[in-house]
Amino acid sequence: DAMVIQNPRYQVTQFGKPVTLSCSQTLNHNVMYWYQQKSSQAPKLLFHYYDKDFNNEADTPDNFQSRRPNTSFCFLDIRSPGLGDAAMYLCATSARRDRIYEQYFGPGTRLTVT
Amino acid sequence: AQRVTQPEKLLSVFKGAPVELKCNYSYSGSPELFWYVQYSRQRLQLLLRHISRESIKGFTADLNKGETSFHLKKPFAQEEDSAMYYCALSTGDNDMRFGAGTRLTVKP
Repeated sequence: DAMVIQNPRYQVTQFGKPVTLSCSQTLNHNVMYWYQQKSSQAPKLLFHYYDKDFNNEADTPDNFQSRRPNTSFCFLDIRSPGLGDAAMYLCATSARRDRIYEQYFGPGTRLTVT
Repeated sequence: AQRVTQPEKLLSVFKGAPVELKCNYSYSGSPELFWYVQYSRQRLQLLLRHISRESIKGFTADLNKGETSFHLKKPFAQEEDSAMYYCALSTGDNDMRFGAGTRLTVKP
């Protein structure tokens, strides 16, 4: 009964070839997040959706885009992947609880750029 | 800008020994702090939140605003505690800043 699902778990793409990672949730949470995590580093927030409102982090490259067609799904599009974009990409969701946005994470998608 | 620092990348203790994973933060407002854990081949999951003042799996963490710290402690470590631990800070604005993590190994 996975609550946050990410597909695929492993993705290989070529340098410059657009790639889309997907995330779905069964929790009906109104907030969805995308993080990038490189080896031995902290997960870095790329952007999040609060319902349909998109919130981009200031230092997220333009190469990264996101779509959220409905409550359950959220996509991460990398328009022209570079070698430096190889990383684990984590999707998370949250719902209001005691004013604190506890996050529920998916298993991640490991992206390799060749 | 808010920042989370976990000074130890690796921490190794023997089973039954006390363990403390350090976390320091910088944020000028009132922070909301968390510890997340990732066991081998599992997803990142919440361990505890400072606002709940709870003990989960024997772990506790106290927010010390004077020292801007939120260290995670357990009096008697178990082998199943071996995992990656991340301290995280939220400013309550739908964001979360993670530390780089500490890999805890509990030896038999």
